[in-house]
Amino acid sequence: GAVVSQHPSRVICKSGTSVKIECRSLDFQATTMFWYRQFPKQSLMLMATSNEGSKATYEQGVEKDKFLINHASLTLSTLTVTSAHPEDSSFYICSARDIGGVEQFFGPGTRLTVL
Amino acid sequence: GDSVTQMEGPVTLSEEAFLTINCTYTATGYPSLFWYVQYPGEGLQLLLKATKADDKGSNKGFEATYRKETTSFHLEKGSVQVSDSAVYFCALSTKKITGGGNKLTFGTGTQLKVEL
Repeated sequence: GAVVSQHPSRVICKSGTSVKIECRSLDFQATTMFWYRQFPKQSLMLMATSNEGSKATYEQGVEKDKFLINHASLTLSTLTVTSAHPEDSSFYICSARDIGGVEQFFGPGTRLTVL
Repeated sequence: GDSVTQMEGPVTLSEEAFLTINCTYTATGYPSLFWYVQYPGEGLQLLLKATKADDKGSNKGFEATYRKETTSFHLEKGSVQVSDSAVYFCALSTKKITGGGNKLTFGTGTQLKVEL
């Protein structure tokens, strides 16, 4: 089946620094990737949708200048949390949809802790 | 807006017990419904889906029926195994977003623990 990886799996950073999370589709080309955020015991909340070669579409309430998304190739999307603060601590999950497909394939997630 | 409500966990069962995880939804129009499973340390995997009323999705012994009249999509399995221990997410898919396919709305997830 289609495999999506995320790196790093865990990251701890100091307040005010920026953190980049990578999402890769390993065995298929993904025209569209999705970024989700999950708080403990809560739903996955869609943050943004990124299409290869174009600007990401952000959900209402998500700050695009804080959560920078780049989808420069058909196999890689990155999420950069800029000037991170403790309230940004969360579990970030990406998913990817292949060309012509409907199903989303999910990565294993990245646990971000901001001190 | 669209929403999904599923029973809180954890749900703890003995092996070979019957499983039901309740899921109800609120949506405009006629969404597609999904169950995803997340095993420890892994990403979400699609378990089963149903795209219209009265459809039954099934996979690996799990099944769920799209009930429009009760806006429900309860997950069931007749005999669970230890290997079924995971977190299960109910989700719905609404209208297509531009260039991006269907948008998913998730429930909070239900952790299932199966013991010997």
